[in-house]
Amino acid sequence: QKEVEQDPGPLSVPEGAIVSLNCTYSNSAFQYFMWYRQYSRKGPELLMYTYSSGNKEDGRFTAQVDKSSKYISLFIRDSQPSDSATYLCAMSPSTSGTYKYIFGTGTRLKVLA
Amino acid sequence: ETGVTQSPTHLIKTRGQQVTLRCSSQSGHNTVSWYQQALGQGPQFIFQYYREEENGRGNFPPRFSGLQFPNYSSELNVNALELDDSALYLCASSLPETGGSADTQYFGPGTRLTVL
Repeated sequence: QKEVEQDPGPLSVPEGAIVSLNCTYSNSAFQYFMWYRQYSRKGPELLMYTYSSGNKEDGRFTAQVDKSSKYISLFIRDSQPSDSATYLCAMSPSTSGTYKYIFGTGTRLKVLA
Repeated sequence: ETGVTQSPTHLIKTRGQQVTLRCSSQSGHNTVSWYQQALGQGPQFIFQYYREEENGRGNFPPRFSGLQFPNYSSELNVNALELDDSALYLCASSLPETGGSADTQYFGPGTRLTVL
């Protein structure tokens, strides 16, 4: 079993839809959770990070962490065609001295105009 | 403030050859991590350098090696290239000493390596 599981998609939604992207994990030591967006043939771009269970909002994006269920989510409101990309979740066992991120495989999202 | 830069953008090599990839970290960042991303997969951690010393290594053979220089730029060297080494190689920089959000790793655009 992989430490981080993520549905690869592809996920196609109409413009304006609310998108829900999810990852599950098995390592209870993970403390630091990130979401990256990666456009085709580009490097990952940090969208959001969070340390603890609960919700964190930034514009149209909301990150949610449920440590008891080992489950994290990224919600995108009012999705736009420019949101079409691969979304990667990443996790780490510590915040300071972080030396290794464990990534999911990424979910390909396509927002249709 | 400049972001993470990598060179070259693309590279084509043949099996058995050696390759060196380069990374310049974001201004003020003293830690560089290298990842390998195969097509359709998430990045896999290769190793990290902190103040010129290796600070953790993933499940990669010794033919993957690295260096970090006093200006915190870094190199990834791969010897005896194999076909499976074809991937996007990503460099990420961070500043873990200050904790909190400064621990976050910021990625460069990557070097796409093709091994024929």
